[in-house]
Amino acid sequence: GNSVTQMEGPVTLSEEAFLTINCTYTATGYPSLFWYVQYPGEGLQLLLKATKADDKGSNKGFEATYRKETTSFHLEKGSVQVSDSAVYFCALSAGGYQKVTFGIGTKLQVIP
Amino acid sequence: DTEVTQTPKHLVMGMTNKKSLKCEQHMGHRAMYWYKQKAKKPPELMFVYSYEKLSINESVPSRFSPECPNSSLLNLHLHALQPEDSALYLCASSQSRDASFNEKLFFGSGTQLSVL
Repeated sequence: GNSVTQMEGPVTLSEEAFLTINCTYTATGYPSLFWYVQYPGEGLQLLLKATKADDKGSNKGFEATYRKETTSFHLEKGSVQVSDSAVYFCALSAGGYQKVTFGIGTKLQVIP
Repeated sequence: DTEVTQTPKHLVMGMTNKKSLKCEQHMGHRAMYWYKQKAKKPPELMFVYSYEKLSINESVPSRFSPECPNSSLLNLHLHALQPEDSALYLCASSQSRDASFNEKLFFGSGTQLSVL
């Protein structure tokens, strides 16, 4: 079956530090890959996505590249802000019909 | 309007109560979903409706009963729940133009349910 593995948190960084959150996946076929973000007390919001190998998704300074050879989709940001504090979920959708598989989520805390 | 609206935001119920969770979207999306999220866990899919028909039921106990009265509304009827059913219940929608196209989900902010 499909699965997503992402690093356990929490991750604590100082403001303006570089962020990497690792994500690897197992899937049949050719999945689409996503990063969702969940702020406290809210639902999930799509942060970025990539639908095929070597695609780079980007949004709000965050980037992730779909690496088929390493089955990875690591999230990066060059300079984090306090407002980026949230839980980040890596996810995949494969085989159609919107059956999204989420990773466990990584909590990011950015301190001033 | 790019929102998925869920009511109520918080719900406390006893094990013998009957209650309903409501979800509404006006984006013209034809697929709607219920997810369950326990604390510090990822969302788990419960049900998917596509074009107002139930297309996926992830072996959810019958004490959870979904309903899709029209393309904009999704309900989750709750009856005889257990304390372990306490969780954040998230509704989501997607355009569902093409079942083979892996689309993004739009989530509501959820209903935090506590079963006493």
